[in-house]
Amino acid sequence: EAQVTQNPRYLITVTGKKLTVTCSQNMNHEYMSWYRQDPGLGLRQIYYSMNVEVTDKGDVPEGYKVSRKEKRNFPLILESPSPNQTSLYFCASSISTGAGQTQYFGPGTRLLVL
Amino acid sequence: QKEVEQNSGPLSVPEGAIASLNCTYSDRGSQSFFWYRQYSGKSPELIMFIYSNGDKEDGRFTAQLNKASQYVSLLIRDSQPSDSATYLCAVSGGGNKLTFGTGTQLKVEL
Repeated sequence: EAQVTQNPRYLITVTGKKLTVTCSQNMNHEYMSWYRQDPGLGLRQIYYSMNVEVTDKGDVPEGYKVSRKEKRNFPLILESPSPNQTSLYFCASSISTGAGQTQYFGPGTRLLVL
Repeated sequence: QKEVEQNSGPLSVPEGAIASLNCTYSDRGSQSFFWYRQYSGKSPELIMFIYSNGDKEDGRFTAQLNKASQYVSLLIRDSQPSDSATYLCAVSGGGNKLTFGTGTQLKVEL
């Protein structure tokens, strides 16, 4: 089954404790992206990757890191989480990076930073 | 001014009626337009995309695009309670960025 998976689905952590949210897709998609969703603010792009070893900042990259060492995986790293990073996070992938890309979303990771 | 604007709603329609959802965007260079549906606590799922001015129909859904007026709309015919969700409009300028609106909550009432 074609899908985007994220782990963990739920995470409670404390300020400053490094964490990683994994994202994996089995569709051989080139483009992968991370979003956060907050009430009243909608989905905002954090980082995206157009292919292996190619990443770039989205609209809200501060406090986050990503890597793309393999085509299928695109982990999101919070080196020192803060309460304002409490949010619902989605990973997404699409087959190409051009106009009209159709993005497929993972199930989401709900993060609470105390 | 937000790049992609939607009325947050909720928009309430009776079962069987037509639901009309609207979205305006600010970037005249935008090329691709998407409608996603998101149920509470779930991830967005693509309903339709449209590139050209005019209408595009898929089952009970019709997307309408007017680039001159910079708006895109989604019509849902014969609305069902299962259509109750938040509908997200997303716009792409042809590059690598997809910008989302904040979504319109639709409630279909029995």
